[in-house]
Amino acid sequence: ELKVEQNPLFLSMQEGKNYTIYCNYSTTSDRLYWYRQDPGKSLESLFVLLSNGAVKQEGRLMASLDTKARLSTLHITAAVHDLSATYFCAVDGPLRGGADGLTFGKGTHLIIQP
Amino acid sequence: ETGVTQTPRHLVMGMTNKKSLKCEQHLGHNAMYWYKQSAKKPLELMFVYNFKEQTENNSVPSRFSPECPNSSHLFLHLHTLQPEDSALYLCASSQPSRDRAWRAQETQYFGPGTRLLVL
Repeated sequence: ELKVEQNPLFLSMQEGKNYTIYCNYSTTSDRLYWYRQDPGKSLESLFVLLSNGAVKQEGRLMASLDTKARLSTLHITAAVHDLSATYFCAVDGPLRGGADGLTFGKGTHLIIQP
Repeated sequence: ETGVTQTPRHLVMGMTNKKSLKCEQHLGHNAMYWYKQSAKKPLELMFVYNFKEQTENNSVPSRFSPECPNSSHLFLHLHTLQPEDSALYLCASSQPSRDRAWRAQETQYFGPGTRLLVL
């Protein structure tokens, strides 16, 4: 059974600081996703990581993937209040040539204070 | 309308009621999904449809009945639900590919969700 663990689950930080969210998964997966969810809203896709060593950056967010360690990180640089949200990582199963449901972590609730 | 839409956005129902949730995607995708998000558990996959065929049922109780009449529409029919079924129900869609080179395009796009309360 595929399991996804995120930590921390709650994070309160000050603007301007850097921090990292970690995502571990239990079995081989072809893809790893990071999503953002604002309160009362749906999930917004941030990154999809496909291969070992993949790194993607968008603004103050950078995601990386180590498939050997089954670990992904989401790094926040010089945090700003607008980044306050819940961040989810998710993985899917081996390539089956079709649609794969995602297994999600519990999410990291991030609060960035002025 | 663009993206993935869901109706209704909010629903309150009694345990003896029958209701349906609707999802429509305007992205030209061929795969659609139902997920459940409750306060006490991580986001859980419920059903997967690929080219209108159900390819995954994640041990969902029979009081939830999905229907996919075409690649753009997905329904979730609800009957005799329990209070613990109260949750946010999210629909998603993606464009699956057998070609590994295109797998980055298979991101799942989520709708706004239906917040369900069962009394």
